[in-house]
Amino acid sequence: DGGITQSPKYLFRKEGQNVTLSCEQNLNHDAMYWYRQDPGQGLRLIYYSQIVNDFQKGDIAEGYSVSREKKESFPLTVTSAQKNPTAFYLCASSITAGYRGELFFGEGSRLTVL
Amino acid sequence: SQQGEEDPQALSIQEGENATMNCSYKTSINNLQWYRQNSGRGLVHLILIRSNEREKHSGRLRVTLDTSKKSSSLLITASRAADTASYFCATGRTGANSKLTFGKGITLSVRP
Repeated sequence: DGGITQSPKYLFRKEGQNVTLSCEQNLNHDAMYWYRQDPGQGLRLIYYSQIVNDFQKGDIAEGYSVSREKKESFPLTVTSAQKNPTAFYLCASSITAGYRGELFFGEGSRLTVL
Repeated sequence: SQQGEEDPQALSIQEGENATMNCSYKTSINNLQWYRQNSGRGLVHLILIRSNEREKHSGRLRVTLDTSKKSSSLLITASRAADTASYFCATGRTGANSKLTFGKGITLSVRP
C-alpha cells in the first residue's frame, strides 16, 4: 500500500535534547511538508521541500531543521532551540509543489517534553 | 495569520441530520480544500474546489465556493456517527507566496 509513514508515533524528550522525527513516503511525490498542530489551532507549516536537496522555511521554522537527501525521506529535527516543542507533528506530501492538489498526510508523531 | 476561518467551532447533531460547516478567507485563492481528522490521527483529504468552480459533490459531501464573498461551505448529508471528527478548510495560493493555509477546524459530533 502506498502512503506516508511517520515514526515514532509517541516520543518523549528531556529539555535540551535534540530529537528527529522520521517521515517516509512511497507515493513518488516530489513535494513534502512538515506541519505542527497544537490544541485548538490549525496546522502551521514548519518546512517544505519541493524537490530533492532543496527545502524552504515555513511560518514557524525557528528551532527546527530538515534534510531532503532522498525523494522518499524528509526527516525533521526538533532542536533544543525550539522553546515549546510539545505538539503533534504531521508530515505530508503532494505530487507536485504549488498547492494545486491534495496533500497526503501521515498519522503523526506526538512529541512531549518532560 | 490564519487564512481560513471555520464556523462554527463546534457542531453537535443527531445521526441522520445534515451538517453544514462554513469557511471564510481573506485573500485570493487558487483552490480551497476540506480535510477531515479523526482524533489523534492524520488528516484525510475530502474534496478540492478550484476558484473557477462554484459547487462540487463527492458522495454525501457537497462543497460550495463563493469567491465574491470569500467563503465556502461543506455540507454532509445524512450524517453518521462515524462522521464524528474535526474538519478543516485549507486555502491554496500559488505564485511567489505559494502555500496551503489551514483554519483552526470544526469539531463535529454526531450522536447515534
